[in-house]
Amino acid sequence: TQLLEQSPQFLSIQEGENLTVYCNSSSVFSSLQWYRQEPGEGPVLLVTVVTGGEVKKLKRLTFQFGDARKDSSLHITAAQPGDTGLYLCAVRSYNTDKLIFGTGTRLQVFP
Amino acid sequence: DTEVTQTPKHLVMGMTNKKSLKCEQHMGHRAMYWYKQKAKKPPELMFVYSYEKLSINESVPSRFSPECPNSSLLNLHLHALQPEDSALYLCASRRNNEQFFGPGTRLTVL
Repeated sequence: TQLLEQSPQFLSIQEGENLTVYCNSSSVFSSLQWYRQEPGEGPVLLVTVVTGGEVKKLKRLTFQFGDARKDSSLHITAAQPGDTGLYLCAVRSYNTDKLIFGTGTRLQVFP
Repeated sequence: DTEVTQTPKHLVMGMTNKKSLKCEQHMGHRAMYWYKQKAKKPPELMFVYSYEKLSINESVPSRFSPECPNSSLLNLHLHALQPEDSALYLCASRRNNEQFFGPGTRLTVL
């Protein structure tokens, strides 16, 4: 059973459109991270959310942590081709050194 | 210095070759990781070193041999690999719950 389910799996949109990516689980987490990975590169940390209900903004990206700290969302406003990549949510497995990744959302933004 | 570096960027090797991947970070992080990533999939954990000691081995075949010579360096020694081992190999270090990834080594096994 996958601990972190992301939806959608794939998203192909035109430049200027808005989109939301979801990361869902039945478990409660102390914090959650979002990463973006461009082809041929390593994942880059975008944000960490810690408090239930927390909202963080990073330019056109808005991240929210669910009130119960079981889920998170990433909203992109006016998507640009530079937003293209694999978006991964991730949590640290309780009391271990492991990082658990979500199933991933592959975003393609066309000019 | 706030980055993780990996060398080489690309590697092509035969099934009888011995090669090594290298990773370095100078952020003072005491946990370092090796991941394997196949196309269009999330990274899969291979090994974790904590304070220079191997703390997690995710049942990785012995043809992959990790080494942590000191707190800044992490190696992955490769021997007798199979074509299905071709993938992007990522190194990462951890600070609290956040991981910082290198750019990866694209490995092709012929």
